Amino acid sequence: GAVVSQHPSRVICKSGTSVKIECRSLDFQATTMFWYRQFPKKSLMLMATSNEGSKATYEQGVEKDKFLINHASLTLSTLTVTSAHPEDSSFYICSAQTGEGQPQHFGDGTRLSIL
Amino acid sequence: AQSVTQLGSHVSVSEGALVLLRCNYSSSVPPYLFWYVQYPNQGLQLLLKYTTGATLVKGINGFEAEFKKSETSFHLTKPSAHMSDAAEYFCAVSEGGATNKLIFGTGTLLAVQP
Repeated sequence: GAVVSQHPSRVICKSGTSVKIECRSLDFQATTMFWYRQFPKKSLMLMATSNEGSKATYEQGVEKDKFLINHASLTLSTLTVTSAHPEDSSFYICSAQTGEGQPQHFGDGTRLSIL
Repeated sequence: AQSVTQLGSHVSVSEGALVLLRCNYSSSVPPYLFWYVQYPNQGLQLLLKYTTGATLVKGINGFEAEFKKSETSFHLTKPSAHMSDAAEYFCAVSEGGATNKLIFGTGTLLAVQP
């Protein structure tokens, strides 16, 4: 149980394009989803916390106009990297939580490469 | 503010040997503590968690961790390493409650030698 699917697993695109990453909870309803960014050989950095039906809460230093988060349903959250540039290249991971105080369950991540 | 320190970015053990990965935390409130494992190009898989109750927590794949409040530690152990245990391990702390934000340590890469 508690499976989180993240799509796509890998994307390569040109500078200036916008890229959308989907995070779905397959067998549970996720009241809260989280988006992380992981640099090579580094830990995970929380970007934002997303609650269904409300605006995402962004961490300090994360540009909300650059990283658009939508959590339209209890099973789907999307992260859109707008006008992506090479410095946005990274491994992006989402997680979903079944309820308050419960562990986060992680997707398999998306490797984003901007040329 | 909460923080997590993982001593040793790289740990190498022989197959069959004891695995010990260290984690110390800082928290102003009773913490929730987690260990996650990450295989290359994959997300994180929960190994075990401590919230309340018994301080020795058993997880998947033969791993366990002990919460020691006096030492602010939550070290991860496994009696006998297997080749398939080679991966990156992350310790994390959260305050629980409504926010449930996780603060991760910098990770420990475990290598298992044949």
